[in-house]
Amino acid sequence: EAEVAQSPRYKITEKSQAVAFWCDPISGHATLYWYRQILGQGPELLVQFQDESVVDDSQLPKDRFSAERLKGVDSTLKIQPAELGDSAMYLCASSLLAGGIDTQYFGPGTRLTVL
Amino acid sequence: SQQGEEDPQALSIQEGENATMNCSYKTSINNLQWYRQNSGRGLVHLILIRSNEREKHSGRLRVTLDTSKKSSSLLITASRAADTASYFCALDTGRRALTFGSGTRLQVQP
Repeated sequence: EAEVAQSPRYKITEKSQAVAFWCDPISGHATLYWYRQILGQGPELLVQFQDESVVDDSQLPKDRFSAERLKGVDSTLKIQPAELGDSAMYLCASSLLAGGIDTQYFGPGTRLTVL
Repeated sequence: SQQGEEDPQALSIQEGENATMNCSYKTSINNLQWYRQNSGRGLVHLILIRSNEREKHSGRLRVTLDTSKKSSSLLITASRAADTASYFCALDTGRRALTFGSGTRLQVQP
């Protein structure tokens, strides 16, 4: 069964350092999402891509976060510089958006700890 | 707020019992979805119910939707220890990506 791949699974960094997360969606899924999930809460959307274009980045802290999906396939989320409050699980998801239905398939996530 | 609110926040039951969790929301929706998340893992889609449906079944899962009360419930029958996870409702409003609630943490005691 096809899965969404993410790496790394765990990342520990010091504040003010740069970090990057990678996501490879399910083949054929044009829509890709990055979410941030703080412990004990639900996922919150950071950015949504349709192919290589950003559809929604209204909740992305653009002073320190950036995301790209250059060829409309895999995607990278970067934080520079990292802050203590960025410690969270970063989840990538993809969907077909078939028939207007947005059923999302999630990767295993990257657990970020900022010291 | 466009996100759902799950109730209860935490639920502990014995294996074999039924588990019921609820989701209330305030906006109009196209459909409502339920996802499960095992500790430290990504979310897994469980079931989707459209706004014009009232009840849906999938294996041991039963979902109801009352659009007049803006609420949904997820029932897991004959629970197993492997059902221990967090369960999230997600709202599809058709206007932007899914919005997730804060979840119900289910503990099934063997």
